[in-house]
Amino acid sequence: AQSVTQLDSQVPVFEEAPVELRCNYSSSVSVYLFWYVQYPNQGLQLLLKYLSGSTLVESINGFEAEFNKSQTSFHLRKPSVHISDTAEYFCAVAGRTDKLIFGTGTRLQVFP
Amino acid sequence: DAGVIQSPRHEVTEMGQEVTLRCKPISGHDYLFWYRQTMMRGLELLIYFNNNVPIDDSGMPEDRFSAKMPNASFSTLKIQPSEPRDSAVYFCASRMGRNYGYTFGSGTRLTVV
Repeated sequence: AQSVTQLDSQVPVFEEAPVELRCNYSSSVSVYLFWYVQYPNQGLQLLLKYLSGSTLVESINGFEAEFNKSQTSFHLRKPSVHISDTAEYFCAVAGRTDKLIFGTGTRLQVFP
Repeated sequence: DAGVIQSPRHEVTEMGQEVTLRCKPISGHDYLFWYRQTMMRGLELLIYFNNNVPIDDSGMPEDRFSAKMPNASFSTLKIQPSEPRDSAVYFCASRMGRNYGYTFGSGTRLTVV
């Protein structure tokens, strides 16, 4: 069975600073990995995904994540955050089954 | 496309009452998932369907919960009788095939008093 661990429940950061949200997964089979973002009182939106190919994936709003098979990680990074990036971020994994399993989420709080 | 549509957005009900949550997936999507989100347990997969057939309901917490998908454009999640611990945000998501492009609805915030 797959599982996801997000080590940081909250990450406070100042605007324009870099940020890394950590995600580790556990799986005995090949996996697909995702990052979702949830703004207050909204549903989840797909930020980026790794299915195969290049291990570095990017989103349209400056986030990137790198699949590291040896470390079973899929950390999310952004070199310079904005106030509007304040949200809850969820890492998720899908394996051989159709299930998408989520981590517990990381609350990113960007301060001016 | 209007995306995944859930109704109602908010539901407040008394303990013991029946609650029905509704979901309309994106047209053409053949997978449908129901999730529950709480502060304590995060996002939990309750059940999912493929081509209207329930595939895995191992996440359904109790027999009080049931889900149906009578056709490709509609699904319901029913709780009968409801209890205060069922209070949560319930999300529906749909997906087309194996491209893993899940699309989530805006959720139904359920409060059982």
